[in-house]
Amino acid sequence: SQTIHQWPATLVQPVGSPLSLECTVEGTSNPNLYWYRQAAGRGLQLLFYSVGIGQISSEVPQNLSASRPQDRQFILSSKKLLLSDSGFYLCALTTGTGGTSGYTFGSGTRLTVV
Amino acid sequence: KQEVTQIPAALSVPEGENLVLNCSFTDSAIYNLQWFRQDPGKGLTSLLLIQSSQREQTSGRLNASLDKSSGRSTLYIAASQPGDSATYLCAVRGGTSYGKLTFGQGTILTVHP
Repeated sequence: SQTIHQWPATLVQPVGSPLSLECTVEGTSNPNLYWYRQAAGRGLQLLFYSVGIGQISSEVPQNLSASRPQDRQFILSSKKLLLSDSGFYLCALTTGTGGTSGYTFGSGTRLTVV
Repeated sequence: KQEVTQIPAALSVPEGENLVLNCSFTDSAIYNLQWFRQDPGKGLTSLLLIQSSQREQTSGRLNASLDKSSGRSTLYIAASQPGDSATYLCAVRGGTSYGKLTFGQGTILTVHP
């Protein structure tokens, strides 16, 4: 079965510091990968998605970037964190190209920018 | 733009009750609809996935229905238990090539003994 590993589980970072969150996938090949953010009092928002190595699309302009250096690795980064970057970051995957696959989510990273 | 609404926002029931959570969406051009459960501070656990061509799916005490033409889905939980307490999220997968998932705001369910 498909498994998503995210780390770290929690992170406290000062404003202006860099960020790197990693997501790795097991149990499937060539997944579609997604980064979602859940901010306090707000719903889940899609940040980035990737359909293959090196292919990244951004949903909203922001202080963050994403990269996919390997088929089953998805990284969320920032050069300088803002207070507004605080939130719960979730990596997710789907499989296939027909759109019928359900989403599988990782356990998330709680980021607090202080 | 797809919008997903969940009613009620919160629900508190005694153990043993049967309950219904509602979800509505504005754009019927979807691939599928998925119900998730989220425990505090945790990730999302998929409960049920209904394809756009299906009317319902069942798993144990859970039953989800989909009426795509009217833009509605319901999640039925039978014989609720305190362990069912969590936030329940409805999400629809859009008709684009990458299939963006649009979430509702969730229903916070509390089942008390």
